[in-house]
Amino acid sequence: QKEVEQDPGPLSVPEGAIVSLNCTYSNSAFQYFMWYRQYSRKGPELLMYTYSSGNKEDGRFTAQVDKSSKYISLFIRDSQPSDSATYLCAMIYSYGKLTFGQGTILTVHP
Amino acid sequence: DGGITQSPKYLFRKEGQNVTLSCEQNLNHDAMYWYRQDPGQGLRLIYYSQIVNDFQKGDIAEGYSVSREKKESFPLTVTSAQKNPTAFYLCASSISENQPQHFGDGTRLSIL
Repeated sequence: QKEVEQDPGPLSVPEGAIVSLNCTYSNSAFQYFMWYRQYSRKGPELLMYTYSSGNKEDGRFTAQVDKSSKYISLFIRDSQPSDSATYLCAMIYSYGKLTFGQGTILTVHP
Repeated sequence: DGGITQSPKYLFRKEGQNVTLSCEQNLNHDAMYWYRQDPGQGLRLIYYSQIVNDFQKGDIAEGYSVSREKKESFPLTVTSAQKNPTAFYLCASSISENQPQHFGDGTRLSIL
């Protein structure tokens, strides 16, 4: 079993939809949680960083962490075609070693 | 602009050849990392360094080597011992461990 599981999709939604991206993890030692966005042929770009259970909001993006269920989510409101990318969840428990999900491919069509 | 610069963008390796990928950062970050990305597999850690002149193996270090002689530079050598080197290589840095990592735009390595 992988430490971090992420549905690879692909996910296709119409413009303006609310998008929900999810990851589950098995190691309760994970303390820090991140979401990255990666466009084709580019490096991942940090979207959200959180270390506690609950919600964190930044513009159209909301990150949700539920440590008791070992589950994290990223919600994108009013999705735009420019949001089309691969979204990666990532987690840290020691020495800065980031463990990634395999990524979800999202397409927002006009 | 502050950031992480990886070069070259594309690189081709012949059989039996070692190649070196460059990573430079001007963010004054202490920690630097190398990842390999293959389709459908996410990112896997090759090597990381928390401080100058020190580095540790990640999950898939075999066939790779690194050095950290300067704070801003962390080059990766893909040796001939790495039998499946074709991948997208990403360098990252962070202020310290457990802080978010910031990535360069990668080097795509292919075999001739």
